[in-house]
Amino acid sequence: EVQLVQSGAEVKKPGESLRISCQGSGYRFSSYWIGWVRQLPGQGLEWMGLIHPEDSDTKVSPSFQGQVTMSVDKSSATAFLQWTSLKASDTAMYYCARPYSTSWNDAFDVWGPGTLVTVSS
Amino acid sequence: NFLLTQPHSVSESPGKTVTISCTRTSGSIANNYVQWFQQRPGRAPTTVILEDKIRASGVPDRFSGAIDTSSNSASLTISGLKTEDEADYYCQSFGTINRVIFGGGTKLTVL
Repeated sequence: EVQLVQSGAEVKKPGESLRISCQGSGYRFSSYWIGWVRQLPGQGLEWMGLIHPEDSDTKVSPSFQGQVTMSVDKSSATAFLQWTSLKASDTAMYYCARPYSTSWNDAFDVWGPGTLVTVSS
Repeated sequence: NFLLTQPHSVSESPGKTVTISCTRTSGSIANNYVQWFQQRPGRAPTTVILEDKIRASGVPDRFSGAIDTSSNSASLTISGLKTEDEADYYCQSFGTINRVIFGGGTKLTVL
């Protein structure tokens, strides 16, 4: 079974750093892009970007460029989303998702359960 | 880049049919495939429709997708509504600057 397992909820203070993870299983991790999607409290889905595990090629939304860093560790089949200095406005649910084929512009058909990030002083 | 515009909310009774629209603001709706996702309260999204009209694995045939070039929109139709269909529904397509574009979402109430 193809699965994406995300790391647990985090509570951080403004200015702190954070890295959340998304581990893939049941498929060849290095062949498929991993996407990240943000959902602010009570709001809709926002695309953050995509990363390819094989070469770490990334496609990042202009809205998130310079705000977050995407990375992967092929050896553990894990993708990461990282912040160096969190803000209260980063409080949100973060989902990872995988397209159904090896192209970046194919539909997400597998979603992780989400990681809730709360940033509060 | 373009936007995908959805109605904020729709409601219908159990057993009835409802259609949710998704209008592309510029460029043809046929230029890029449209997907539909369902998000039940407190849950992660799940994929309902791929590539305009293909049901994702396990999705009942009560769900169907289509595009209409005359209105430059995509639609998700759910027939035989069940209370379990109550959820937020998002359309999504692909752009150039923002590679993945989501609609604002539609809250479906089944009452």
